[in-house]
Amino acid sequence: GAVVSQHPSRVICKSGTSVKIECRSLDFQATTMFWYRQFPKKSLMLMATSNEGSKATYEQGVEKDKFLINHASLTLSTLTVTSAHPEDSSFYICSAPQENGQPQHFGDGTRLSIL
Amino acid sequence: KQEVTQIPAALSVPEGENLVLNCSFTDSAIYNLQWFRQDPGKGLTSLLLIQSSQREQTSGRLNASLDKSSGRSTLYIAASQPGDSATYLCAVRRTNAGKSTFGDGTTLTVKP
Repeated sequence: GAVVSQHPSRVICKSGTSVKIECRSLDFQATTMFWYRQFPKKSLMLMATSNEGSKATYEQGVEKDKFLINHASLTLSTLTVTSAHPEDSSFYICSAPQENGQPQHFGDGTRLSIL
Repeated sequence: KQEVTQIPAALSVPEGENLVLNCSFTDSAIYNLQWFRQDPGKGLTSLLLIQSSQREQTSGRLNASLDKSSGRSTLYIAASQPGDSATYLCAVRRTNAGKSTFGDGTTLTVKP
């Protein structure tokens, strides 16, 4: 079964709307979670590292005020795309690593479409 | 900065063929390498994980090898089937619970 749950799987909304995506680790605690973005026919690009109890670390070129990350508990990280525009349309996917060399587990992703 | 390259970008083969997908990385200081499968519009399915101390891993018709010193990994698919059609991604991690750096993937089409 899934060890990382991501919700919602699909969002279609109007330009200007803020959209929140949740990523939950199931049956294990994740002090760190990662948020990736994937453009069509491209690979996954890391956007930011979510850290439980502290500020997220953003990759170069990613707008902090645009993509708000909150990691309020050891099992939940949220990504909020604020005032979304059509160029924010993409596939967003989170991952939560387990230690001890376990495979990195990914959520099923969220397809965001901004009209 | 770690860079991961996958060759070829796309591959089309007839059903039943054996095939090899390639992944190379620039920084050999990795903790592990993971191969994923992604179907169109879907998330990632983990196929094989190779720790830095390992040379290969096998699961069914899949075999992944790792040559850390040369910065290369291969994914071998035996007796390919149309259901194997998907994009295959490799990803490397530098640390135990660190971020993954992905290649651009190889899109495989297996024709009946």
